[in-house]
Amino acid sequence: DADVTQTPRNRITKTGKRIMLECSQTKGHDRMYWYRQDPGLGLRLIYYSFDVKDINKGEISDGYSVSRQAQAKFSLSLESAIPNQTALYFCATSDSDGSSYNEQFFGPGTRLTVL
Amino acid sequence: RKEVEQDPGPFNVPEGATVAFNCTYSNSASQSFFWYRQDCRKEPKLLMSVYSSGNEDGRFTAQLNRASQYISLLIRDSKLSDSATYLCVVRKAAGNKLTFGGGTRVLVKP
Repeated sequence: DADVTQTPRNRITKTGKRIMLECSQTKGHDRMYWYRQDPGLGLRLIYYSFDVKDINKGEISDGYSVSRQAQAKFSLSLESAIPNQTALYFCATSDSDGSSYNEQFFGPGTRLTVL
Repeated sequence: RKEVEQDPGPFNVPEGATVAFNCTYSNSASQSFFWYRQDCRKEPKLLMSVYSSGNEDGRFTAQLNRASQYISLLIRDSKLSDSATYLCVVRKAAGNKLTFGGGTRVLVKP
């Protein structure tokens, strides 16, 4: 079984709808992240969490919110989806051992289309 | 200017050839550097970290030039399975927030 899972894997929705993307991990990591990927722009950080109830804004947090109620779960919400939020969304986790070279492990991604 | 810049490619490489490409970063406070590999429509996966003295992992060699603020990746004896997008990733000192480049696409052909 995958260590980092995301649901749903694909979602098509309409402008104005509320959408929640879920991320779960079995790696026991403290740190979790949400990114979006657009063609040619690389991955951009939306929100990140270093522990339960810890929430930090990333580079592009406007229009998004997150919840970290448990160590293993980190959910991303779009309160009122708009077409320019159409993108590939990745969740990631990492350990917190203080190493400068901590690897981030990514989920399989959620492809979201907002019509 | 983007914080991490890469040539998007594609680099068309004959099987067995060597290919190399660079990535430049703008923040001199950047501390750690990585190459991630991303297959089409898949999640990124760590290929290798890039250390100050340069490092090698099989057919892959990574170099860091702090003075000119770039890192490089060289792939020797290219395999068809090396076809992917290679993401340059930079981490600043605090926390574990990563900044990603847009990726360099490599296509290895028979």
